[in-house]
Amino acid sequence: DAGVTQSPTHLIKTRGQQVTLRCSPISGHKSVSWYQQVLGQGPQFIFQYYEKEERGRGNFPDRFSARQFPNYSSELNVNALLLGDSALYLCASSRTVGDSNQPQHFGDGTRLSIL
Amino acid sequence: GEDVEQSLFLSVREGDSSVINCTYTDSSSTYLYWYKQEPGAGLQLLTYIFSNMDMKQDQRLTVLLNKKDKHLSLRIADTQTGDSAIYFCAEASGFNKFYFGSGTKLNVKP
Repeated sequence: DAGVTQSPTHLIKTRGQQVTLRCSPISGHKSVSWYQQVLGQGPQFIFQYYEKEERGRGNFPDRFSARQFPNYSSELNVNALLLGDSALYLCASSRTVGDSNQPQHFGDGTRLSIL
Repeated sequence: GEDVEQSLFLSVREGDSSVINCTYTDSSSTYLYWYKQEPGAGLQLLTYIFSNMDMKQDQRLTVLLNKKDKHLSLRIADTQTGDSAIYFCAEASGFNKFYFGSGTKLNVKP
């Protein structure tokens, strides 16, 4: 089975632009979470979606938004990009939510660079 | 909020054992996880432990949990150069939200 897939792998944008990142979960997984990993730090939780509904939100500004589609894939949108948004954006999927015994499986991420 | 702390670096010789430590603050954490990240890649799930367990062994990996002290460790036996990577400890509570430490960079010398 394919793992979590993310696209694109790399992206370069300028300040003020908008970006959309995409994620396809492992087959059978209904939950998708998004994380931001700044260089030298651990991943920071941004959003979690389950059955197309937002189930959790981290401490990120409203410039960050996401959605989940009927096929459980997801998009992360970031508006009005800032230099500080440069990071590796990771998507993770799990079968369900509500039980912390569901390991999250990560994709290889999208490397976003803001010039 | 949740706070997970790890030492930043660990250097060992090939064949030795590596022990990576982690402390966490959220007493409601039900599962604790270890992930490995190689350069340019995402996070690879290594193992996880339920909070009512003290120890879990999986081939070369041993996880020890001291719930009273909120201390978690990952022991890698017979460490190989291919084990060189950054290792992240994560706690999960509530709706499967994961909180990660800053990672421990393991360097294995031949």
